[in-house]
Amino acid sequence: AQSVTQPDIHITVSEGASLELRCNYSYGATPYLFWYVQSPGQGLQLLLKYFSGDTLVQGIKGFEAEFKRSQSSFNLRKPSVHWSDAAEYFCAVDARDDYKLSFGAGTTVTVRA
Amino acid sequence: NAGVTQTPKFQVLKTGQSMTLQCAQDMNHNSMYWYRQDPGMGLRLIYYSASEGTTDKGEVPNGYNVSRLNKREFSLRLESAAPSQTSVYFCASSTWTGQNTEAFFGQGTRLTVV
Repeated sequence: AQSVTQPDIHITVSEGASLELRCNYSYGATPYLFWYVQSPGQGLQLLLKYFSGDTLVQGIKGFEAEFKRSQSSFNLRKPSVHWSDAAEYFCAVDARDDYKLSFGAGTTVTVRA
Repeated sequence: NAGVTQTPKFQVLKTGQSMTLQCAQDMNHNSMYWYRQDPGMGLRLIYYSASEGTTDKGEVPNGYNVSRLNKREFSLRLESAAPSQTSVYFCASSTWTGQNTEAFFGQGTRLTVV
């Protein structure tokens, strides 16, 4: 069955430290891949997306993600975290042929001073 | 530029009551979605409409119905609300146009069923 997994429920990181959030998918072919962020009490905002081409994708707010076909992964990274990055992050996947956008369970990021 | 608009923002229902959540988008998107968000479970797809005139079940369709009224509007109906339907509901719309593909979300409806 098709699925998207975010193995880490909660991550705590110090301000200024690097951050990496994991996302793995199980689809027959390479899907469209997205990362969204949700600040407390807010809707979802797109950080970045991958369709094809360069496997390292740059997004907004200093985030980047790397698509690794061999590992079926699309991990999100930020070199230096700011307190405003505290939020919930969702990986999302679409199988390219059914317009059905599915989300992982999310990773909550806490930033400590 | 409104984007995706959901109404209402908050609602309290008694068990067994019915209600309709409204969603409208002004971006001329073909696809629209309804999700529910529960702690620790991410966003789960209830129903979606790939294009005007079509609707399909998502992961958790039981207890819900949808109507794609026109290209702009996609409503979600709870015929007989249950406490298990207490959740935050998000509507989204998207256009699937290669590199410009992106889903836009409404601000959510917080529904409590007592």
